[in-house]
Amino acid sequence: GENVEQHPSTLSVQEGDSAVIKCTYSDSASNYFPWYKQELGKGPQLIIDIRSNVGEKKDQRIAVTLNKTAKHFSLHITETQPEDSAVYFCAATTYSSASKIIFGSGTRLSIRP
Amino acid sequence: GAVVSQHPSWVICKSGTSVKIECRSLDFQATTMFWYRQFPKQSLMLMATSNEGSKATYEQGVEKDKFLINHASLTLSTLTVTSAHPEDSSFYICSAGVLAANEQFFGPGTRLTVL
Repeated sequence: GENVEQHPSTLSVQEGDSAVIKCTYSDSASNYFPWYKQELGKGPQLIIDIRSNVGEKKDQRIAVTLNKTAKHFSLHITETQPEDSAVYFCAATTYSSASKIIFGSGTRLSIRP
Repeated sequence: GAVVSQHPSWVICKSGTSVKIECRSLDFQATTMFWYRQFPKQSLMLMATSNEGSKATYEQGVEKDKFLINHASLTLSTLTVTSAHPEDSSFYICSAGVLAANEQFFGPGTRLTVL
């Protein structure tokens, strides 16, 4: 089955700097890679996603890159703000409403003022 | 966007009792719903996949007789933790698959504390 590894487990950056979170996956059948932000006591919220036919996707300050050959994908947050502090999870699955989502272990991002 | 609700948002119960958690898709029909468990400072672990009108598929290591899942309608799935024990204390999160959109939306979670 699919296995997703995520690094780092914790990340602290100065407000305004960039943050990068990296993930790898094992199952070449996975073709959809969502990223979730989870605030304390809440469910995960989808912030951006990428499909395997695309190498990069950007949405304002957030971007994701995917290297399908190496089975690597990354989340980039630029111009970080205090409200970016949360736990971020990468995930891998197939593009279907009925597919299991396999989550990475999570990254606790802290933004220093 | 699609909204998924969970009820209750938190529950405290005594050891040995059963607790039912509801997951509802408010503005769409979900043929597939998923139940996750999340321990403090850990990731979400899939417990089971629930399809409307059929038996749930449990992940390895999840006791189906302890975690009863019912998906009787296209908008409601329930998870019943039977004979709960303190080690069952966790954050339970459901997600619902939006067939037409090929994506899943997560509920806000239910915090279960077993005394």
